[in-house]
Amino acid sequence: AQSVSQHNHHVILSEAASLELGCNYSYGGTVNLFWYVQYPGQHLQLLLKYFSGDPLVKGIKGFEAEFIKSKFSFNLRKPSVQWSDTAEYFCAVNAAGNQFYFGTGTSLTVIP
Amino acid sequence: GAGVSQSPSNKVTEKGKDVELRCDPISGHTALYWYRQSLGQGLEFLIYFQGNSAPDKSGLPSDRFSAERTGGSVSTLTIQRTQQEDSAVYLCASSLAGTSGAYEQYFGPGTRLTVT
Repeated sequence: AQSVSQHNHHVILSEAASLELGCNYSYGGTVNLFWYVQYPGQHLQLLLKYFSGDPLVKGIKGFEAEFIKSKFSFNLRKPSVQWSDTAEYFCAVNAAGNQFYFGTGTSLTVIP
Repeated sequence: GAGVSQSPSNKVTEKGKDVELRCDPISGHTALYWYRQSLGQGLEFLIYFQGNSAPDKSGLPSDRFSAERTGGSVSTLTIQRTQQEDSAVYLCASSLAGTSGAYEQYFGPGTRLTVT
């Protein structure tokens, strides 16, 4: 079975610190990769996605992610976090079909 | 425009009872997904509907779970003879199409189910 691993369960950063959240998946074929975010009290929403082409993708609010095929990774980054980035972040993989596999999520707390 | 809506937002039921959870997707979205999110877990895929095609039920955890989608729009997830381990947040998502994840999924607010 496919799996998605998010090794950071809870991250606490001060404002202006740099962020990198890890995401690794287990599937050897073609994949579509996603990062979703859930702000407190809000719905899950798409942050960014990768289908093909440039492995460095940019999303909303200054986030970006890099697909490294050889490492089966799709890490999320932001150079300088803000208090408003406090949220739950989910990595997801879609591979060969209709199913999406989500990681367990990373809770990010940004301290002003 | 209106997003994905789900009802009820919260449901408390006794063990052994049946429950129905409803999802209203975004108008025009042909693909509809159900997920389950348990405490400390990621989203677990349950079932997928695409247009008039047969649903992908491969994620349903047991035969107590079933879902239907009437008229290509509203979907109902039914859990029969609920168990305490069914307690979770049930999320619905819709998208324009479901082919290989090509389109963004829009999520509803979820239904929090508590089985006592």
